[in-house]
Amino acid sequence: AQTVTQSQPEMSVQEAETVTLSCTYDTSESDYYLFWYKQPPSRQMILVIRQEAYKQQNATENRFSVNFQKAAKSFSLKISDSQLGDAAMYFCAYVSNNDMRFGAGTRLTVKP
Amino acid sequence: EAQVTQNPRYLITVTGKKLTVTCSQNMNHEYMSWYRQDPGLGLRQIYYSMNVEVTDKGDVPEGYKVSRKEKRNFPLILESPSPNQTSLYFCASSLWGGPQETQYFGPGTRLLVL
Repeated sequence: AQTVTQSQPEMSVQEAETVTLSCTYDTSESDYYLFWYKQPPSRQMILVIRQEAYKQQNATENRFSVNFQKAAKSFSLKISDSQLGDAAMYFCAYVSNNDMRFGAGTRLTVKP
Repeated sequence: EAQVTQNPRYLITVTGKKLTVTCSQNMNHEYMSWYRQDPGLGLRQIYYSMNVEVTDKGDVPEGYKVSRKEKRNFPLILESPSPNQTSLYFCASSLWGGPQETQYFGPGTRLLVL
């Protein structure tokens, strides 16, 4: 079965600095999708960024960007110019053939 | 306002007492899904539905039932809840195509089974 691993249970970053959250996955599929979701203290799940595996170009959404390394099965999230509102739990997720798998999450703290 | 709603938001119950958590979306989405979130495990998919009258098991379906009689509603039924079903539950929907499309999540239902 496909698995998603987030090796950093907790991370912290200084406000305005850059932080990278790691995610690796295991799959034998060639066609799949990858996501980063943010869960603030309100518990609401919010989509941060989406990447289609067949696209080589890394997805970007404002201050959020990914480093997608298909051969290495790695999908890291970079947050630039970190803001206090970025403090949350971040989940990496993998989808293929309607099978959706989440990592265990990384809790990000932003220090003022 | 486009949204996914869940009720109740919080529920405390006892072992064996049947319960239903409702989920409704007003975006005419075809795909709906249920997840449970547990510490250290992330979210795990329970059941999903590609359209009306079409449901399928996810990763952890044991002890749960679902139905999709209308496009907008996708209730989660626990026929005989047990303490290991204590968890935070999320309903989600997407326009079509399944979870590879952008999913919109409900606010979550926190369930405690004593």
